[in-house]
Amino acid sequence: GESVGLHLPTLSVQEGDNSIINCAYSNSASDYFIWYKQESGKGPQFIIDIRSNMDKRQGQRVTVLLNKTVKHLSLQIAATQPGDSAVYFCAENTGGFKTIFGAGTRLFVKA
Amino acid sequence: KAGVTQTPRYLIKTRGQQVTLSCSPISGHRSVSWYQQTPGQGLQFLFEYFSETQRNKGNFPGRFSGRQFSNSRSEMNVSTLELGDSALYLCASSLAQGISADTQYFGPGTRLTVL
Repeated sequence: GESVGLHLPTLSVQEGDNSIINCAYSNSASDYFIWYKQESGKGPQFIIDIRSNMDKRQGQRVTVLLNKTVKHLSLQIAATQPGDSAVYFCAENTGGFKTIFGAGTRLFVKA
Repeated sequence: KAGVTQTPRYLIKTRGQQVTLSCSPISGHRSVSWYQQTPGQGLQFLFEYFSETQRNKGNFPGRFSGRQFSNSRSEMNVSTLELGDSALYLCASSLAQGISADTQYFGPGTRLTVL
């Protein structure tokens, strides 16, 4: 099966700090990008998305940045809380209704 | 509105057996996608169904199959189970109103263990 990477990096932040999770995507033709959060024992939960005609989109406490030149996506979480501890996945879609997920980043929030 | 539901939540099978997993999408959602999640390979796309038709397929062997019913509910089947099929199988649904992909909402998954 297809996947993006096998290594699961870890990010540890202090409660109240801002978190930045990075993702390199694979296909320059991808036109839709999504960030998901997955807590233990649960399915991935949608956080925020962005289409390729934008380079920034903001939600509640979260911001997604898209740099198509270097095929890079980032998720910024403001004032990180203990409840933000989870694995975060970026995902890309090339318009063919086939979503490719990144390997994920584990976020630990220290109280 | 109820979320995506998957049944059963847990399943234990032995090698060589077959298994059928079920997914009920969010009401009004027409697209259902299936994914396999393992610690070693991450989240991998299996297939996507829309209006009872498979629109896209990932790189999995033919032992993995699926179908979608007229009410958008979907099932996936794995035949001749192998130890490596042990995984969390996730279903996701989306509205699919246009030609572009839109937000997918995931169910809690079915944890399959093959002994």
